[in-house]
Amino acid sequence: DAGVTQSPTHLIKTRGQHVTLRCSPISGHKSVSWYQQVLGQGPQFIFQYYEKEERGRGNFPDRFSARQFPNYSSELNVNALLLGDSALYLCASRQTSTDTQYFGPGTRLTVL
Amino acid sequence: GNSVTQMEGPVTLSEEAFLTINCTYTATGYPSLFWYVQYPGEGLQLLLKATKADDKGSNKGFEATYRKETTSFHLEKGSVQVSDSAVYFCALRGSDGGATNKLIFGTGTLLAVQP
Repeated sequence: DAGVTQSPTHLIKTRGQHVTLRCSPISGHKSVSWYQQVLGQGPQFIFQYYEKEERGRGNFPDRFSARQFPNYSSELNVNALLLGDSALYLCASRQTSTDTQYFGPGTRLTVL
Repeated sequence: GNSVTQMEGPVTLSEEAFLTINCTYTATGYPSLFWYVQYPGEGLQLLLKATKADDKGSNKGFEATYRKETTSFHLEKGSVQVSDSAVYFCALRGSDGGATNKLIFGTGTLLAVQP
């Protein structure tokens, strides 16, 4: 079975631009979460979506937004990019029966 | 609030040495505890987990026991290999009844195993 997939793999943007990151969960998983991992640190929770509804939001500014589609895939949008938004963005889908989150390979965002 | 504290790295070991990476947590109730591993340039892979006190998670020779009395979930392996070189993250999911299933991670411990 395919795991969590994310696109693109790498992305380079300049300050002030907008970016959209995409995630497809494992088949059958209805919950998707987004995390930001800054170099040398542990991942920080950004959003969780379940059945297309936002179920939780971390301590991130309103420049960050997300949505989930009927097929349970998800997009993370970041507006007005700052240098500090440079990070690895991880998507995770959750298997409800085992309460386990499975992570994708991530999208490496570099803001210049 | 909930938090996870891991021992700082890097941890440098010779092949076949015994590994311990300490992890302690602060949480209300009975959180679920996880160890994830991140190989260079990759995302996180679930290594093992435990969902209640005294549970032992194990996988690929790694073990960790959920100790509520010491609020710890230390990772151990009896004989490490070069291929175990990676960053290891301890994480918890709270049991406070909130709508989210967010994971709270430690800062990670880099393990370097030398041949």
